[in-house]
Amino acid sequence: GESVGLHLPTLSVQEGDNSIINCAYSNSASDYFIWYKQESGKGPQFIIDIRSNMDKRQGQRVTVLLNKTVKHLSLQIAATQPGDSAVYFCAENQFYFGTGTSLTVIP
Amino acid sequence: GAGVSQSPRYKVAKRGQDVALRCDPISGHVSLFWYQQALGQGPEFLTYFQNEAQLDKSGLPSDRFFAERPEGSVSTLKIQRTQQEDSAVYLCASNPFPEAFFGQGTRLTVV
Repeated sequence: GESVGLHLPTLSVQEGDNSIINCAYSNSASDYFIWYKQESGKGPQFIIDIRSNMDKRQGQRVTVLLNKTVKHLSLQIAATQPGDSAVYFCAENQFYFGTGTSLTVIP
Repeated sequence: GAGVSQSPRYKVAKRGQDVALRCDPISGHVSLFWYQQALGQGPEFLTYFQNEAQLDKSGLPSDRFFAERPEGSVSTLKIQRTQQEDSAVYLCASNPFPEAFFGQGTRLTVV
């Protein structure tokens, strides 16, 4: 399979701060990338996707940036809340998931 | 139901036993995916259906793994002669592209 990896396995942020979760990928031919959030004991939950022909996409409190030059993807969460604590995965198309970054929000 | 439903929620199998895991996707969803998620890891793709057609089974780890979706709705993942390394959470997802809806998974423990 293709390599989709995350730079940091864990991330702790203060409530109200912005969070940035990074992801590297290796397949430059991928059509789109997806970010998922997974809480303990639950299946992954779709957050946002971005097509390979885009550089940036914004959702509610989230922004995904795609840098195709360096094959890098990031998820920015604004005003992080305790409910954002979870493991975040980037995925390449629907098939290849990274290892995940565990985000802990400190009240 | 409103979401993807998987059953059983937990399964303990003795080594060598056959198991069947069920996935009820959201009604009307054409695409259905199966994944295997080991503890502390991301989901690993197993297989993909579009309606009843299994379009990709490249992720199935061995010929002990078999998946079907005979009527294009409910899907079953079968594992024959289970081994300890099969212990994992098995996730099912259905979607209208690209948003995927995941079930809670079946946690399989092989003892």
